[in-house]
Amino acid sequence: NAGVTQTPKFQVLKTGQSMTLQCAQDMNHEYMSWYRQDPGMGLRLIHYSVGAGITDQGEVPNGYNVSRSTTEDFPLRLLSAAPSQTSVYFCASSSTPEGAAKNIQYFGAGTRLSVL
Amino acid sequence: GNSVTQMEGPVTLSEEAFLTINCTYTATGYPSLFWYVQYPGEGLQLLLKATKADDKGSNKGFEATYRKETTSFHLEKGSVQVSDSAVYFCALIGRGYQKVTFGIGTKLQVIP
Repeated sequence: NAGVTQTPKFQVLKTGQSMTLQCAQDMNHEYMSWYRQDPGMGLRLIHYSVGAGITDQGEVPNGYNVSRSTTEDFPLRLLSAAPSQTSVYFCASSSTPEGAAKNIQYFGAGTRLSVL
Repeated sequence: GNSVTQMEGPVTLSEEAFLTINCTYTATGYPSLFWYVQYPGEGLQLLLKATKADDKGSNKGFEATYRKETTSFHLEKGSVQVSDSAVYFCALIGRGYQKVTFGIGTKLQVIP
């Protein structure tokens, strides 16, 4: 019963480096999303996907790319890391795209990223 | 757009004290409302939810009532424990789409 799995748990990058944060879910959920969590800001939506092959921007998409080639995986790419991207990143999934009463988000444990 | 307002804290309480964390929201229509909890070093977990006016969500001794007239969803617990120390997020989902709007999170510290 893995749920939502994020890797790595911790990462340190230098400015300008690239990396991919991995997210996988085994619940056959259609909807997946990426958030960043910063002190005093709560969680802010970066990108989301309502199904394989479909992605869209959230509140703070700049500097991040996503793709959704399978239902299970939703990787987040930083092409050229900047210190402003130091944050804790959470991936989440839920069963349906509709904002209905049964819509519940399942969160991964997070990736703590530091950009020097 | 939608928004959720809650105090950042920290809120520090002694064990067995009464807890209230206020949450107010702005949204069009009738959103679903949620409280999530984040324990140290972990991701967010759904604590409780309410989907229509006057609904009361409850779980693990926590309660919150969906108040449409005051656009509020305050979290309460009658007697907190040290194990309740965590960050609590109020959130909403508007009708018709999937984006979740979160508050900034309220840190709760319960001391023995």
